[in-house]
Amino acid sequence: TQLLEQSPQFLSIQEGENLTVYCNSSSVFSSLQWYRQEPGEGPVLLVTVVTGGEVKKLKRLTFQFGDARKDSSLHITAAQPGDTGLYLCAGVGYGQNFVFGPGTRLSVLP
Amino acid sequence: ETGVTQSPTHLIKTRGQQVTLRCSSQSGHNTVSWYQQALGQGPQFIFQYYREEENGRGNFPPRFSGLQFPNYSSELNVNALELDDSALYLCASSLGWTSSEQFFGPGTRLTVL
Repeated sequence: TQLLEQSPQFLSIQEGENLTVYCNSSSVFSSLQWYRQEPGEGPVLLVTVVTGGEVKKLKRLTFQFGDARKDSSLHITAAQPGDTGLYLCAGVGYGQNFVFGPGTRLSVLP
Repeated sequence: ETGVTQSPTHLIKTRGQQVTLRCSSQSGHNTVSWYQQALGQGPQFIFQYYREEENGRGNFPPRFSGLQFPNYSSELNVNALELDDSALYLCASSLGWTSSEQFFGPGTRLTVL
């Protein structure tokens, strides 16, 4: 069974701080995705990383896929209250099955 | 372009009842996946439909069943509801079952009393 772990589970920071959240697995995935989910809404895809060691930047968000394609990190620079939400990572298996982690709930205080 | 829509938004049922949830996929998408998201957890894959056929199933019992219609909209049916079925049910559509880009609807919040 493929499982994804995310840490930390909860994170509360002040506006302007930097943060990193992690997504780890013992399984290899063909790609890994990060989503943000806000209350009352479905997850929204932020990025897909495919190649081991790949780094992608989306404005203040930096995503990295581990060399072995088992783990990933999301770094946010100068967090803003609009970044508040549940951050989910999802591993995409070779059969195109999606395995989601439990999420990191981020709260950015003004 | 219309996004993924789901109905109803909220639903309250009692144990043992049956429920049907509906999903309209994004225009042009022929694949729909259903997920269950319990409080404080990530979405868990229930099953996927591609061109009206079930194309994969997660670790859910047979009382969870589905349908996909010719217009690619979909239904999730749950029989003999249990308290643990209380969750947010999400559907996601994509263009083809091999696509890794799926778009989620807002979900249906089901409460089982």
